[in-house]
Amino acid sequence: AQSVTQPDIHITVSEGASLELRCNYSYGATPYLFWYVQSPGQGLQLLLKYFSGDTLVQGIKGFEAEFKRSQSSFNLRKPSVHWSDAAEYFCAVGLNTDKLIFGTGTRLQVFP
Amino acid sequence: DTGVSQNPRHKITKRGQNVTFRCDPISEHNRLYWYRQTLGQGPEFLTYFQNEAQLEKSRLLSDRFSAERPKGSFSTLEIQRTEQGDSAMYLCASSLSVGTEQYFGPGTRLTVT
Repeated sequence: AQSVTQPDIHITVSEGASLELRCNYSYGATPYLFWYVQSPGQGLQLLLKYFSGDTLVQGIKGFEAEFKRSQSSFNLRKPSVHWSDAAEYFCAVGLNTDKLIFGTGTRLQVFP
Repeated sequence: DTGVSQNPRHKITKRGQNVTFRCDPISEHNRLYWYRQTLGQGPEFLTYFQNEAQLEKSRLLSDRFSAERPKGSFSTLEIQRTEQGDSAMYLCASSLSVGTEQYFGPGTRLTVT
């Protein structure tokens, strides 16, 4: 069965520190890959996407993600975290861009 | 450029009542999606439309749920005879066309008492 795993439920970092959020998927083929961010009580905002081509993709707010086919991973990174990055982050995959399967999310807390 | 809008933002209802939510997609987006998100979980796909045609429904969408997009613009999601297990955030998203990313609205939070 297709699945998405975000192994870290909660991550705490200091402001200015680097960040990596993990995402692993189980699919029969290379899926479409997305990262979304959700602030409390809000909808989801698209950070970045991977459809094909260059495996390192740049997104908004200084985020980037790298697709590694051999590891079935699509980890999200940011070199220097800001307090405003505190939110919940969701990895999503799909065999097409329609029916997305989401991970359970990683809650990011940022300390000053 | 206005984003996806959803109304109401919050709905409290008693068990057994019917509720209806509305979603207005981004202008000119011909695909529209509904998801449900429960506390501590990621969104789960419910259904989606290409213009007015409903193309796929999840097994999560029981007979008490119905979604429409009558003119290919806004969409409604109705839940009949609500149950406490229906309490969740209902998210709507839209995309420009096949093969493009989804943009989400703020959601409607449903509480069934």
